[in-house]
Amino acid sequence: GQQVMQIPQYQHVQEGEDFTTYCNSSTTLSNIQWYKQRPGGHPVFLIQLVKSGEVKKQKRLTFQFGEAKKNSSLHITATQTTDVGTYFCAGPNGWGAQKLVFGQGTRLTINP
Amino acid sequence: KAGVTQTPRYLIKTRGQQVTLSCSPISGHRSVSWYQQTPGQGLQFLFEYFSETQRNKGNFPGRFSGRQFSNSRSEMNVSTLELGDSALYLCASSWESPRDGNEQFFGPGTRLTVL
Repeated sequence: GQQVMQIPQYQHVQEGEDFTTYCNSSTTLSNIQWYKQRPGGHPVFLIQLVKSGEVKKQKRLTFQFGEAKKNSSLHITATQTTDVGTYFCAGPNGWGAQKLVFGQGTRLTINP
Repeated sequence: KAGVTQTPRYLIKTRGQQVTLSCSPISGHRSVSWYQQTPGQGLQFLFEYFSETQRNKGNFPGRFSGRQFSNSRSEMNVSTLELGDSALYLCASSWESPRDGNEQFFGPGTRLTVL
């Protein structure tokens, strides 16, 4: 079945450094979604990308959807301690498919 | 408006027992999805209900079942509990199906421990 892989699994940075997590799908995605889960919390929807090559920004966060719609990335500029958490990507398991498949997540920790 | 609520928040059961978890979606949301979250497997899709019908189902054994009521509230049931069922069970609601990119709102989850 379709898989959504995320790398890296863990990332530790100094506050102020940049951070990037990558998401790769074995099949073309109709859309991709990003979520953030703070420690002890629940996932919170960040954004969805639909178009090939789409780039969206939310303050210090930049989201990209690959041209082939099989990969995506989330880049955080100048991390802050509030960015700590696990970032998940998620996409439908196949074009027009029914289930939403989540990547394993990238856990971000920050040294203040 | 009120967020997604889940009850109970914590639950301890023993192997062989069965458990029912409840989820109240955001008012007006018709889609309710359930996920199992464990450290080893991450977030695994269980099923999605829309207007009282199960639309999608994940790769879980038949011991896992659910239903949705006319007011969109949903319950999931796990019978004959196994140690491996220990997990955080998350419910998420959305206006339409999350597979179409619709924003999902997650509840706080029910932490199930099976002894």
